[in-house]
Formats: sequence, structure tokens, C-alpha cells
Amino acid sequence: NAGVTQTPKFQVLKTGQSMTLQCAQDMNHNSMYWYRQDPGMGLRLIYYSASEGTTDKGEVPNGYNVSRLNKREFSLRLESAAPSQTSVYFCASNSGTVAYEQYFGPGTRLTVT
Amino acid sequence: ILNVEQSPQSLHVQEGDSTNFTCSFPSSNFYALHWYRWETAKSPEALFVMTLNGDEKKKGRISATLNTKEGYSYLYIKGSQPEDSATYLCAFGVGHKLVFGAGTILRVKS
Repeated sequence: NAGVTQTPKFQVLKTGQSMTLQCAQDMNHNSMYWYRQDPGMGLRLIYYSASEGTTDKGEVPNGYNVSRLNKREFSLRLESAAPSQTSVYFCASNSGTVAYEQYFGPGTRLTVT
Repeated sequence: ILNVEQSPQSLHVQEGDSTNFTCSFPSSNFYALHWYRWETAKSPEALFVMTLNGDEKKKGRISATLNTKEGYSYLYIKGSQPEDSATYLCAFGVGHKLVFGAGTILRVKS
């Protein structure tokens, strides 16, 4: 099992460019999450999907969109990148509610210039 | 906005020292409290998930306790080793979401 995979690992964008971060899990998990990690701020939830076909906003959703393509895949899209979106992005999944541990992908380091 | 506080922000200890960190969270509407270990250049990995007041969990030299009535959890590391150096994150569960604290950075010197 690969667990949670993310692509790409690194990306540099110019302000205004768009891109999609991909995430897939092979653990048959219902719930998937996108976080961003900034120095001194821990992990902040951008969007989550409690089950296939549903998505909900987290703490910092502005400037992002998501798609839960199927049970395995959950993508994060930046339509018009801004320097404030420079961050490390983590995808995670778990079996369902917060009573279950989350499994994290390796992260995508994004720089917007 | 839910607030999850972790203290201290960072800690430097000698190999063999025992240490502990604190996570404070809202004491109302409790669902779960998670602890994660996060090594540099890796992904966070779950240590414990606690759901009941008074829960105590142990994994090797690491243990955690939970007090939901007063809204805190302690993580203990007995006899710290250099490989314990990492950031330790706690997270408070609300519905399907986790709210993370900023973490405690532990550095263990040999």
C-alpha cells in the first residue's frame, strides 16, 4: 500500500498562475483533507471531504477550490496564485470521524513569486 | 474560532532526560484529542487518539493523558533519545475536522 500520495512534491508559480495539487489514497478511507503549514502556525485546514461527493470549507478556504473526484482522489486547485499562498500543503485521509487518526501524504512545497 | 494552545513552543533537553508538554483545548463539546509526531522533511504521524476523559495511552517511552473537563492533555517522554527530536502536534477534534496547535519543537542533545 502506498498510503497517501501527493503530486507534485515541489512547485514554483508566478503570481496569477493556476495549478492543481493532486492527492490519492489507497486505504479505502471515506474522509480526505487539505491542510497548509506555515511557520509558527501549525496545520490549518483548507477544505475537507467527509465522503465521496461532499466537500466543506475549513479554516482558510479563500483562494482555493477542491474536487473529490472519487473515493480515492481529492484535488486542490489554486485559480490565481498569490504570494500569500506560498506554503507547504499536506493531504490527509482517515476512516471517518475525528475518533480516527489521520494519515498524511508527503507534502507539496509551493512557492509563489 | 477554536483555540488549541501548546506549550512550551520549544524545548532542548539532554539525552536521558524525561520531559513533558501540554496541550490546552476547549473543554466543551469534546470529541477527540490527537497527538502527532512530525520529523523534519517527513509527514506527521499519529501517536495517540484519545476520546474519553481520563484516557491514558502509552507507546514505548511515550505516554499521554487526557482531562476533558479542564481541557488539557499532557504528552510525556521518558528517557529522551536523539531520535525523539521532532515537532509534537496536538489536535482537537470537532465533527469531521481537526484543529491543530502550533506544536512543541523538541531537540534532544546526545
